[in-house]
Amino acid sequence: DTGVSQNPRHKITKRGQNVTFRCDPISEHNRLYWYRQTLGQGPEFLTYFQNEAQLEKSRLLSDRFSAERPKGSFSTLEIQRTEQGDSAMYLCASSFPTGESYEQYFGPGTRLTVT
Amino acid sequence: KQEVTQIPAALSVPEGENLVLNCSFTDSAIYNLQWFRQDPGKGLTSLLLIQSSQREQTSGRLNASLDKSSGRSTLYIAASQPGDSATYLCAVHMYSGYSTLTFGKGTMLLVSP
Repeated sequence: DTGVSQNPRHKITKRGQNVTFRCDPISEHNRLYWYRQTLGQGPEFLTYFQNEAQLEKSRLLSDRFSAERPKGSFSTLEIQRTEQGDSAMYLCASSFPTGESYEQYFGPGTRLTVT
Repeated sequence: KQEVTQIPAALSVPEGENLVLNCSFTDSAIYNLQWFRQDPGKGLTSLLLIQSSQREQTSGRLNASLDKSSGRSTLYIAASQPGDSATYLCAVHMYSGYSTLTFGKGTMLLVSP
């Protein structure tokens, strides 16, 4: 197991197009998180899954965003009708509670550029 | 609402210096605190996790301390090297909510040879 993976690593799209990103968590990690990071800022929470259930969504996640985690394994994040303000790095993380630790492990991210 | 602040925003030091990065948070009801490293255009690498019941954690040349009552954490880097150049992010995990992390904006560190 080599950690959290994300695909694609880079995506350039035109405004108004739909895009979909994929995240494969560390195997056996039942918790999966999506964050968004813009230049010069720390990552901001978007949404969280425990197994296949989406348990929390940030107010940042507008109606144009949808995330799924079928079968509690990989997850997809779709952005419909992209806007220039969606340009950011989209980060995925996973964790498995062990004892008192909820340490999150991050993937390399998908950098989205909307032109 | 939890707010995390990191000072300084940027730091430039010569190789070999010891340095301290600061992180403060407004709500002390945290479950744990994580320090991350981020290289330009890359994802986050977890460096250290400190549970709320702990005072410090050490890994190699890194030492992180936590003073929950005052809402502060520090990351101490000993004998800095050019390879330490990166952005260092502090994040807190609250007891309330679903395990999400609240991040600071980071400290951009440059270690010159």
